[in-house]
Amino acid sequence: GQQLNQSPQSMFIQEGEDVSMNCTSSSIFNTWLWYKQDPGEGPVLLIALYKAGELTSNGRLTAQFGITRKDSFLNISASIPSDVGIYFCAVITSGTYKYIFGTGTRLKVLA
Amino acid sequence: SAVISQKPSRDICQRGTSLTIQCQVDSQVTMMFWYRQQPGQSLTLIATANQGSEATYESGFVIDKFPISRPNLTFSTLTVSNMSPEDSSIYLCSVTVSGGYGYTFGSGTRLTVV
Repeated sequence: GQQLNQSPQSMFIQEGEDVSMNCTSSSIFNTWLWYKQDPGEGPVLLIALYKAGELTSNGRLTAQFGITRKDSFLNISASIPSDVGIYFCAVITSGTYKYIFGTGTRLKVLA
Repeated sequence: SAVISQKPSRDICQRGTSLTIQCQVDSQVTMMFWYRQQPGQSLTLIATANQGSEATYESGFVIDKFPISRPNLTFSTLTVSNMSPEDSSIYLCSVTVSGGYGYTFGSGTRLTVV
């Protein structure tokens, strides 16, 4: 079936560093989303992207919808300890409200 | 956005038994979904809970194993039947409102089958 591959799978970074992660697909999708999951919680929507090439920010987070509509990246600037968690990309399958989630990037921030 | 209350938050169950998970939303929502997140894995859609009719299951999930109810626009239940250790996962309820793309998720039910 369709799959979204995220990289890196996990990363340790120092507090204050910038972080970059990406998400790729073999298929074209028209809506890309980024979620964060804290331990013991459900995922929370961070950013939604609706247009190829779109660059959207939410505080220290910036995400871009790839021009080919097969990828997206998420950047976090000046990371802080509460950025720890798992970041998932997701796409919406055409004609439905069903999501496909990426494999996840586990982020750990060292104070 | 909608606020979801999911119960129980966690449970440890004996194999062969069943557990029913409840999802209550504070407002009427268009669509409700149930996801499974196996340990260290991503989220996989189990089914779409349809109000007043049978749920729509994804490939690999069947009604006998995961019966779902949705009696109204704010409430749904998922039952994990005849459990085995392989059913140990986090089960998440999610909803979306009309015209919106962003899902809201419940905090999940962490199930351990022993």
